[in-house]
Amino acid sequence: ETGVTQSPTHLIKTRGQQVTLRCSSQSGHNTVSWYQQALGQGPQFIFQYYREEENGRGNFPPRFSGLQFPNYSSELNVNALELDDSALYLCASSLYGGGAGETQYFGPGTRLLVL
Amino acid sequence: AQKITQTQPGMFVQEKEAVTLDCTYDTSDQSYGLFWYKQPSSGEMIFLIYQGSYDEQNATEGRYSLNFQKARKSANLVISASQLGDSAMYFCAMRRSISSGSARQLTFGSGTQLTVLP
Repeated sequence: ETGVTQSPTHLIKTRGQQVTLRCSSQSGHNTVSWYQQALGQGPQFIFQYYREEENGRGNFPPRFSGLQFPNYSSELNVNALELDDSALYLCASSLYGGGAGETQYFGPGTRLLVL
Repeated sequence: AQKITQTQPGMFVQEKEAVTLDCTYDTSDQSYGLFWYKQPSSGEMIFLIYQGSYDEQNATEGRYSLNFQKARKSANLVISASQLGDSAMYFCAMRRSISSGSARQLTFGSGTQLTVLP
């Protein structure tokens, strides 16, 4: 069973640039959620994708957008990067309608630094 | 709104001893899920244990058990026989009722940094 993978592992961008982060879900999962984790804090929910559509969104501005593909992989796009966007971005996959509370399994994360 | 409170920023435990990490939550939902995750310094969130609000038995997974007290709205994690590899940040998280139609998002606490001493 393949776990959740994310790419790239690290990224450095400058303010105003755009970035795309990628996530491959665990085999058998159909839902992907994205979280932002600032240093020293718990993760904050950005949005979730199910059946290639956004299935809920946290308190993040529209410059955070995403996609889910037919193979359930996903992208997170951030436009007009700001210094405060520097964080660890975590992707999690789960099985919508599955048991055990639809447990979310996380990838290793992408560390984004905005200069 | 959902809220998770972890009041212990840091905890120390001697190797082979047991340790309890506190978690309290606030929700108006009747049905919800509670999770604990471990985050080593590498950054990956590792799922440890799940407790459903209607589960009558406390969840257990190997050395991890969840002390669920619904009336007190607490879901403490107990780690037995601590190992050096248990040193990490631990997060408590909650998911709203699936029947509420909301996204299956997790709300996390601020975490507890556990250090296991040799």
